[in-house]
Amino acid sequence: DAGVTQSPTHLIKTRGQHVTLRCSPISGHKSVSWYQQVLGQGPQFIFQYYEKEERGRGNFPDRFSARQFPNYSSELNVNALLLGDSALYLCASSFSLRAQIQYFGAGTRLSVL
Amino acid sequence: AQSVTQPDIHITVSEGASLELRCNYSYGATPYLFWYVQSPGQGLQLLLKYFSGDTLVQGIKGFEAEFKRSQSSFNLRKPSVHWSDAAEYFCAVGDAGGTSYGKLTFGQGTILTVHP
Repeated sequence: DAGVTQSPTHLIKTRGQHVTLRCSPISGHKSVSWYQQVLGQGPQFIFQYYEKEERGRGNFPDRFSARQFPNYSSELNVNALLLGDSALYLCASSFSLRAQIQYFGAGTRLSVL
Repeated sequence: AQSVTQPDIHITVSEGASLELRCNYSYGATPYLFWYVQSPGQGLQLLLKYFSGDTLVQGIKGFEAEFKRSQSSFNLRKPSVHWSDAAEYFCAVGDAGGTSYGKLTFGQGTILTVHP
């Protein structure tokens, strides 16, 4: 079975631009969470989506938004990119809202110049 | 608010030696605790988890961890390290009783280097 897949693998943007990252969860998983991992740090929680609704939000500005589609895939959008948004963005899926075991994708490496 | 501290940023061991990676957490109730491993260019792979019950949990690749409530610790151990264990290790606590069930709070990570 396919694991969590994320696209693109790498992305280079300039300050002020907009970016969309995509995630497909493991088949049968209905919950998707997004994390930002800045170099040298642990991942930080951005959002959790379940059944197309936002169920949790971390301490990130409104420039960050996400959505989940009927097939449970998800997009993370970041507007007005800043240099500090350069990071590895990880998507994780779990079977349900309360399922604690999360399975991570390989991530999207975003570089903002 | 929940938090995780991994006191050791970088640990170096010789192949075949034993390993212990430290993790201390802060959480108001019984926590859900995890250890993940991340190899360069890879996502996070779950090594083991603690939800309840036996405080010594076994994971994949020969790893184990012990939950000690009195010390708020969840240290990861392996009796004999292999060169392929070189990676970065993250301890995490899950939000069991809050509104963000999917929220994992991670420590800063410990980079493990293995010498031949």
